[in-house]
Amino acid sequence: GENVEQHPSTLSVQEGDSAVIKCTYSDSASNYFPWYKQELGKGPQLIIDIRSNVGEKKDQRIAVTLNKTAKHFSLHITETQPEDSAVYFCAASRDSGYSTLTFGKGTMLLVSP
Amino acid sequence: SQTIHQWPATLVQPVGSPLSLECTVEGTSNPNLYWYRQAAGRGLQLLFYSVGIGQISSEVPQNLSASRPQDRQFILSSKKLLLSDSGFYLCAWNTGVAGGPEQYFGPGTRLTVT
Repeated sequence: GENVEQHPSTLSVQEGDSAVIKCTYSDSASNYFPWYKQELGKGPQLIIDIRSNVGEKKDQRIAVTLNKTAKHFSLHITETQPEDSAVYFCAASRDSGYSTLTFGKGTMLLVSP
Repeated sequence: SQTIHQWPATLVQPVGSPLSLECTVEGTSNPNLYWYRQAAGRGLQLLFYSVGIGQISSEVPQNLSASRPQDRQFILSSKKLLLSDSGFYLCAWNTGVAGGPEQYFGPGTRLTVT
């Protein structure tokens, strides 16, 4: 089955800095890679996703890059703000409504004012 | 638009007591439904998923069971809770056959077994 590794487990940055979270996956058949943000005591929220037919996707201050050859993908947050502080999860699956997501273990991002 | 509800929001139960957590989805038909558990660490563990009424797939053998009595209702149960059942339980849905793998999570239920 699929295995997703996520690094780092904790990331502390100053407000305004950039943050990068990296994930690797094992199943070459995976072609859908979402990122979730989970604030304390809440359910995870889908913030951005990428499919294997593109190498990069941006949405305002967040971007995701994908390297299918190396089987890794990354989340980039620019101009971080204190409200970006949360736990971020990456996941991987096949691009099908029947597929289940395999999650990484999460990264706690702390943005200091 | 679609909305997912979970209740209760928090629950404190003694060891050996039964459990029933409920999840409902509004604004969509024939969704796939999922139960996850998030223990003291941060990882998300898939417990059960369902692609239709009465159809349940179990990912991890355990003290829990799931049922789907209606199209948009998913229930997580236990006959006798263990201390290790404590955690944050999350329900999620996606559009199933009609759509892609994007999953959307509910607000969660915090369960403490004492």
